[in-house]
Formats: sequence, C-alpha cells, structure tokens
Amino acid sequence: EIVLTQSPGTLSLSPGERATLSCRASQSVSNYLAWYQQKPGQAPRLLIYDASNRATGIPARFSGSGSGTDFTLTISSLEPEDFAVYYCQQRRDWWTFGQGTKVEIK
Amino acid sequence: EVQLLESGGGLVQPGGSLRLSCAASGFTISSYGMNWVRQAPGKGLEWVSSIGVTDGKTYYADSVKGRFTISRDNSKNALFLQMNSLRAEDTAVYFCAKELGFAKPFDYWGQGNLVTVSS
Repeated sequence: EIVLTQSPGTLSLSPGERATLSCRASQSVSNYLAWYQQKPGQAPRLLIYDASNRATGIPARFSGSGSGTDFTLTISSLEPEDFAVYYCQQRRDWWTFGQGTKVEIK
Repeated sequence: EVQLLESGGGLVQPGGSLRLSCAASGFTISSYGMNWVRQAPGKGLEWVSSIGVTDGKTYYADSVKGRFTISRDNSKNALFLQMNSLRAEDTAVYFCAKELGFAKPFDYWGQGNLVTVSS
C-alpha cells in the first residue's frame, strides 16, 4: 500500500499570505496525485488532479506541482474561505489519502 | 446539475447490517466509476470501495473486504453499499463519490451519511 505523508500537520497563516503544503508518497505515484479541500461538515472538494491540473471552477490562486514522490499544493494568496483542511490522494495503487493539513487563521 | 443524494445511515449494533443508497442525478451512473469514501469522527478520509465503469468490477479496501458489497442499479441511476458484520470501527460519515473520468479523482461527492455502530 502506498502511504501519503502530508506536512505540516497545521499551517497558521494570515489572509493574503502564501501557503505551501507538501505531500510525500512512500513510492512513486507518477503524476496520479490529487488535492482536495474540506470544510467542517462538508464533503471534500476536488482542487487539483494529475498533480497540476485545476478542476473546473477552481480559482487560479490554487496550483499543484510535483511528480514521482514529492508534491506541493500552493495557495498564492490566502482568501478567508481558504482556511480548511487539505488532503492529497493517489491513484497509482488503488486510492489512498494523506492524513491532511489544516490551514488555520493566525 | 450533478447531484448525489445519500440515504440509509443510522445507528446499528455491532454485528448488524445496513444498506446505504446514493441517488444520482445530472449524469448516467453507468458511464462513470463510482466510489464510497468514509471519514471517522475527527479523522481523515479513507477510501472504502469502487465499482468500475465498463465491466462493473468491484474493489474494496482490506478493512472492509468480505463484509461490504458495492453495487449499482443502472435503471434507478443509484449506487449502493451493503454493510454486514459491522464493527465499532466502521463508525463514520460515508460519502459516495463520482470519478472525473476513468481512474481519475472524485469530482462530485454526496453530502455524507453518518453510520454509528454501537450497542
């Protein structure tokens, strides 16, 4: 089973700041990596698929990069609605999720 | 507009059974891979099961293999999850989710349905 490890566990930032979230896979997942945003009491929302493609309707401030085992989700300038938990997900070997990174207001 | 509406959750005793339903609208369920994902209280996301688009092949996480069965009814445009031999650790919110495309991530999710396994 491929394990995804996200870091940091919590990111404390202010609106307008840049957020950089990391996802590391225990073995190569090629570019089969997606990112989701989840707010309390809501279903996850797909942000990025195939490592760097924005899903429909996702603002340009969200970007993804990486391949193989190391991936990054960047939010260029945090808006108030971006404070949430973010998960990465791989499809190289069935589906597994990372444990999540919480982006909280500093 | 794509929508996924889940039903069937609730409280069940350990060892009991429950069947979750997911009614789809705005797309044809037989044209997409469909999945169940769960989230235990305060925890992260865990993939549970998938059903393939072309051959209807089914796949399960090791944690539920042999106890859960995924199925779909194309005539009703609905997805199901039959859960047997339920354990306390199966307590979670269960989401149904549609794949963006073949072996692609999940672009639409249901609202979630709480299953509580407790005596």
